[in-house]
Amino acid sequence: DAGITQSPRHKVTETGTPVTLRCHQTENHRYMYWYRQDPGHGLRLIHYSYGVKDTDKGEVSDGYSVSRSKTEDFLLTLESATSSQTSVYFCAIKRAGGETQYFGPGTRLLVL
Amino acid sequence: DAKTTQPTSMDCAEGRAANLPCNHSTISGNEYVYWYRQIHSQGPQYIIHGLKNNETNEMASLIITEDRKSSTLILPHATLRDTAVYYCIVRVGTTSGTYKYIFGTGTRLKVLA
Repeated sequence: DAGITQSPRHKVTETGTPVTLRCHQTENHRYMYWYRQDPGHGLRLIHYSYGVKDTDKGEVSDGYSVSRSKTEDFLLTLESATSSQTSVYFCAIKRAGGETQYFGPGTRLLVL
Repeated sequence: DAKTTQPTSMDCAEGRAANLPCNHSTISGNEYVYWYRQIHSQGPQYIIHGLKNNETNEMASLIITEDRKSSTLILPHATLRDTAVYYCIVRVGTTSGTYKYIFGTGTRLKVLA
C-alpha cells in the first residue's frame, strides 16, 4: 500500500465550515496527489505536489487549497465546505523515477 | 475532459478470459495508457501500463492497437475476486515535470460463478 494513510477516514460537516484532510506517507515520496471520486465521473485530480512547498492545480481545484510543509504530509483544505464537495477523496503518491501512482484508502466526506 | 471511453459494464464467466476494451482516439504520441481497478470503495489498484507495445505481467495483458487509438485489457482466467470497476487512464505530462492521470468513468466487471 506504499505506506499511505488518510485521516479522517469519514467526516460529516456542515456547509460553510472549514475542513482539512490529511494524507500521510512514510516512504519519502516526492510526488503526492489529491483526487475526488463522484458517481459518473471516475477520479478527478484536485491538486498535486512535486516537492515540499511545490504544488499545482488539477482539473477541479476551485474551492480547495493544499499545503505541503514537509515531505510526509499533504493537506487538502476546504475553506468553506459546500454540499457539492460531498465526495470520496483519495490521496496518491508516485515514487521519484517511477511511473505508477499508488492510492490511499480514501476519506468519505459528507457536507450537510 | 476524459480522454478514454469504456463500456459501462460487462459480465464474464469464472475461469474465462475477460477482455475489457478502451477507446482513446485523441491520445498523443508520448502519452501512456494505464489500467487500474477499484474493488468496492477501496483505493484504485495498479494493474498494467503501456505506450505502444503489448505488455504482460502476472495480473493481466495489455494489447494496444498499432494506431494507439484503442487498447484491450485481458484478464486471462477471471475469478470472482476480479469483480471490480476497471479504469482505463491516459497519463499526460504537466508543466511542473510530473504526470497526471485522466480517468474515464470505468467498466464495472462482474465475474459470474
